[in-house]
Amino acid sequence: AQTVTQSQPEMSVQEAETVTLSCTYDTSESNYYLFWYKQPPSRQMILVIRQEAYKQQNATENRFSVNFQKAAKSFSLKISDSQLGDTAMYFCAFMKQNSGGSNYKLTFGKGTLLTVNP
Amino acid sequence: DSGVTQTPKHLITATGQRVTLRCSPRSGDLSVYWYQQSLDQGLQFLIQYYNGEERAKGNILERFSAQQFPDLHSELNLSSLELGDSALYFCASSPRPTDDTEAFFGQGTRLTVV
Repeated sequence: AQTVTQSQPEMSVQEAETVTLSCTYDTSESNYYLFWYKQPPSRQMILVIRQEAYKQQNATENRFSVNFQKAAKSFSLKISDSQLGDTAMYFCAFMKQNSGGSNYKLTFGKGTLLTVNP
Repeated sequence: DSGVTQTPKHLITATGQRVTLRCSPRSGDLSVYWYQQSLDQGLQFLIQYYNGEERAKGNILERFSAQQFPDLHSELNLSSLELGDSALYFCASSPRPTDDTEAFFGQGTRLTVV
C-alpha cells in the first residue's frame, strides 16, 4: 500500500514571496503519478500540477513548480510570487499507473493549510 | 467548474437514517470515484465504478454501497448513519483508463449526522 506524508499542517507566506510545501511518499511501485491538489474555502478540489514518475524533468505550471526526487521519494511544491488567491489547503496525492487502467484511485496526504498574507 | 455535478450540496440527517448522494460525471467520462473527507481520516478513497461495473474498493464501510447507472451517473447510499459518518463526500470522474487520465472532482456533498 502507498502512503503519502505532508509534514507541515500549516504554513504562511507574504504576498509576492515564494513558499515550498513538502511531501514524501512510500511505494514499491516504479510507475506512478504524483499530484498536488488545491482546496480553497469553496472546497472544490482543483488540480494544480502533475508529475509522471518516469519523467526526470520537474513539472511546471506558471507560478507552480515541483521538485521531484524519485530516489528520496520526495515531491515538493514551490509557489512563486504568492497571491492572496493561493490561500487554500494543498494536498499531495499518489496514483499507481496501471496498464489497462483498472485502478486509478488517488492516495492523499493529510494536507497543508497555506495562508497568503497581504 | 469541473463539469462534475453532485447533489445535494448539503444534507443534515439523524443517526440511524439512510441517505443517497448523487453524482453526474463529466459528459463522456466512464469512471466515477467516491471519496470521503473527514477531519480525522482526511481524504479517503471509497469506491470506483467504470462503465457500470465496480472496479476498485477502498475503505468503504459495509453500511455504504454505490452503483453506477446506464447513463453513467452514480449514487452513494449511506445507511444506519452514525455521527462519525459526518463528512464531505466527493465524487470524481475520469474519461477512460488510459495512462493520461486525471480525475475531475465535484464540489462535494456535506453530510452532517445529528
